[in-house]
Amino acid sequence: GAVVSQHPSWVICKSGTSVKIECRSLDFQATTMFWYRQFPKQSLMLMATSNEGSKATYEQGVEKDKFLINHASLTLSTLTVTSAHPEDSSFYICSAKGSQGKNSPLHFGNGTRLTVT
Amino acid sequence: AQTVTQSQPEMSVQEAETVTLSCTYDTSESNYYLFWYKQPPSRQMILVIRQEAYKQQNATENRFSVNFQKAAKSFSLKISDSQLGDTAMYFCAFMKHVGNAGNMLTFGGGTRLMVKP
Repeated sequence: GAVVSQHPSWVICKSGTSVKIECRSLDFQATTMFWYRQFPKQSLMLMATSNEGSKATYEQGVEKDKFLINHASLTLSTLTVTSAHPEDSSFYICSAKGSQGKNSPLHFGNGTRLTVT
Repeated sequence: AQTVTQSQPEMSVQEAETVTLSCTYDTSESNYYLFWYKQPPSRQMILVIRQEAYKQQNATENRFSVNFQKAAKSFSLKISDSQLGDTAMYFCAFMKHVGNAGNMLTFGGGTRLMVKP
């Protein structure tokens, strides 16, 4: 079945540094990928929609200059958390829609736990 | 905008018994999909069951079934013969249908289910 690989699975960084998270579709092409954020014991909140070859669409309240999204190929989207702060510590999950048309399921990555110290 | 509400933050059930998780949603769309996802401690998002709004027949997947009431905008999940491995967070999710590109999921707040031996 289709697999979405997310890397790294966890990362610890210092305040002020930037962290890049990768989301890859391993055996299918994904023109659209989605980035979610999940705080402990809470639900997944959509941050942005990543579109291959064009600018990402950000949800209200999400700073596009802080959470940089690049979707340069049909199999890779990256989320870069710039100038990270402790409040950015969270679980980030990507998902991608399969390439089998409108009934294609969404496939999720395993998530990245970010801790900013 | 769509909203998804799960009114039960936590539930428990004895092994082998049946439990029903509630979900209601609000939308002005007529064509959409509804999902139940399971998130075990590993944080991996696992699709449990999916319902297409234009289908009147309730979806079933082995021990999992839904009660989809479109007019009432209700989408409950029934787990029969509960197993210890069913212990997880369960998220109800909504996705409006937008051509082949699909759309993002809107998640409910989640229900933490514990299956007791």
